[in-house]
Amino acid sequence: DAGITQSPRHKVTETGTPVTLRCHQTENHRYMYWYRQDPGHGLRLIHYSYGVKDTDKGEVSDGYSVSRSKTEDFLLTLESATSSQTSVYFCAISPDRIGEQYFGPGTRLTVT
Amino acid sequence: GEDVEQSLFLSVREGDSSVINCTYTDSSSTYLYWYKQEPGAGLQLLTYIFSNMDMKQDQRLTVLLNKKDKHLSLRIADTQTGDSAIYFCAESRDSGYALNFGKGTSLLVTP
Repeated sequence: DAGITQSPRHKVTETGTPVTLRCHQTENHRYMYWYRQDPGHGLRLIHYSYGVKDTDKGEVSDGYSVSRSKTEDFLLTLESATSSQTSVYFCAISPDRIGEQYFGPGTRLTVT
Repeated sequence: GEDVEQSLFLSVREGDSSVINCTYTDSSSTYLYWYKQEPGAGLQLLTYIFSNMDMKQDQRLTVLLNKKDKHLSLRIADTQTGDSAIYFCAESRDSGYALNFGKGTSLLVTP
């Protein structure tokens, strides 16, 4: 497996609280991505990064922000969690802009 | 994945071949990928094909690409119960940054 870890792996939080998910890689890949996976929707891109401090929005970015201060870490923040953000969140990395992506194990987030 | 379509479910008997189909709409797709997701796990890259190829074989896996019809298929020979999983088709585009995924095909292999 590519060296990707996500933390926490499971989290339950209350509506209105801030939540930060962390993705850590040891592959030194330039590109990093956050997806969410929901039944009936497949995987949808939230945000991505193409370098340190370089990030951009994906398809479903509302309510989420990201930061990348080091090559190895990509953080996803829910400023004020809502029940619609209950999902499984996956981080992915890639050495190339259009190349294959390698996925982390996922974080299951429940917002009550 | 609105632009990538897959059937949602496929059931096969152990030992038979499985064929999972995918259609995409963007003719600028550069690479096409197949990922496998087992329950509770992340997505595992199975194989990929470059858009100027029409076939790629890797052990039990055969990928066929019909670029004219924008149709991609994954054939798994001698399907085993361990192949039961969700299979995702994905495309990358030269103009984009991320992969565009289908909603996944759930493969059930019965003994």
